[in-house]
This record gives sequence, C-alpha cells and structure tokens, in this order.
Amino acid sequence: EAGVTQSPTHLIKTRGQQATLRCSPISGHTSVYWYQQALGLGLQFLLWYDEGEERNRGNFPPRFSGRQFPNYSSELNVNALELEDSALYLCASSLRVPGKLFFGSGTQLSVL
Amino acid sequence: DAKTTQPNSMESNEEEPVHLPCNHSTISGTDYIHWYRQLPSQGPEYVIHGLTSNVNNRMASLAIAEDRKSSTLILHRATLRDAAVYYCILRDGNDYKLSFGAGTTVTVRA
Repeated sequence: EAGVTQSPTHLIKTRGQQATLRCSPISGHTSVYWYQQALGLGLQFLLWYDEGEERNRGNFPPRFSGRQFPNYSSELNVNALELEDSALYLCASSLRVPGKLFFGSGTQLSVL
Repeated sequence: DAKTTQPNSMESNEEEPVHLPCNHSTISGTDYIHWYRQLPSQGPEYVIHGLTSNVNNRMASLAIAEDRKSSTLILHRATLRDAAVYYCILRDGNDYKLSFGAGTTVTVRA
C-alpha cells in the first residue's frame, strides 16, 4: 500500500513568487494535515483538511492557504514568498477517528 | 494547547534500554499522549500512544504516571536505527491536530 506522497521533493523560488505543494494521502484517509519545519526547529502546524473542508488553522498569515480535492489529495499554496518561508513542508494523513498520523517525506522549499 | 517538556538530548549505547521522559503537568482528561520520531531526512513516524494505561507495541513501551502528568517512552534495546528526534505530544480526543515541540534528540553509540 502506498504511503503519503508529496511533490515536488525540492522547490526553489525567489522572493515574491508563489509556491504550490501537493500531497496525496494514503488510500481511505480523509484527513490531511500540513506542517512547516524550519531548519533546526520542531514542526509547526499549518492547516488541517477533512472531507474537503478546512477544519483548523495554525498561526500563519493568510498567504498560506490550501485546499482539499474530492479525491482527498491536497494542495498548499504560499503566496508572496519570503526568505523565512524556506523550510521543509510535511503533509500527513489520517483516518477520521483520532489516531495515527502518517507523514510523507516532505517538500523542501528554498526561497532565494 | 497543553504543553510537554522533554530533555533536549539523550545518549545511549547500542542494545541498552533508553528511557525518554516527558512532563505534561497541564494535561486534560481528554488528552491522549502520543510519541512520534523523526529520522534524518524523513517525516515523523508514529511510535505509540496511550490515554491512562501503560501500552506496549513492537517498537516501544509507554509508561504513564498515575496522575498522567508525566510519561516515559521506553526503547527496550536501542539500535543505531533508533537514532532520531523523539516527540512527545498531547492530542485532544476532540481535535485531530498534533502540536509538536522541539523533541529529544537520541544518539545511539555503537
């Protein structure tokens, strides 16, 4: 069974551009979570989607947004990129009941 | 969100047990205690979770204090592959979000 897949693996952008990151959850999982992990820091919760709706949001500015598609895959969009947005962005999925989160390997975003 | 406190780092010798403490004095009655670990260049992976009783699985054991204000993750025989950052996390049973702290960096010596 395929795990959580994220694309691209690496993404290089310049300040002011927009970045789009993609995530495919494990088959049957309806919840998708996005986390940001800056170098040397812990994971910061960004967004949680379930059944196509945004359920919870972390303490990030509105230029961080996303959506979940009918097949439960998800996109994270970061507008007006800033240098401090450089980080590893991790996606996780879970079944609707509280339990394990399964993480992908992440997208390394570098903003130059 | 209720917070957890973990030591920054711990060292162990290969094939010896590792006891990772976690303090969560403000835990609420609906908070589950979760442990995840993150190996280098990978996303976190689930290790174990519990509510009140001690839990065992093939990866580790979780010992929960009677007052639930602390817990200990036990790796029974550390291997080099267990070198990772270990995160102790509280998860409200009504909220599917996980909030990660800085974790404990475990180093295993051969």
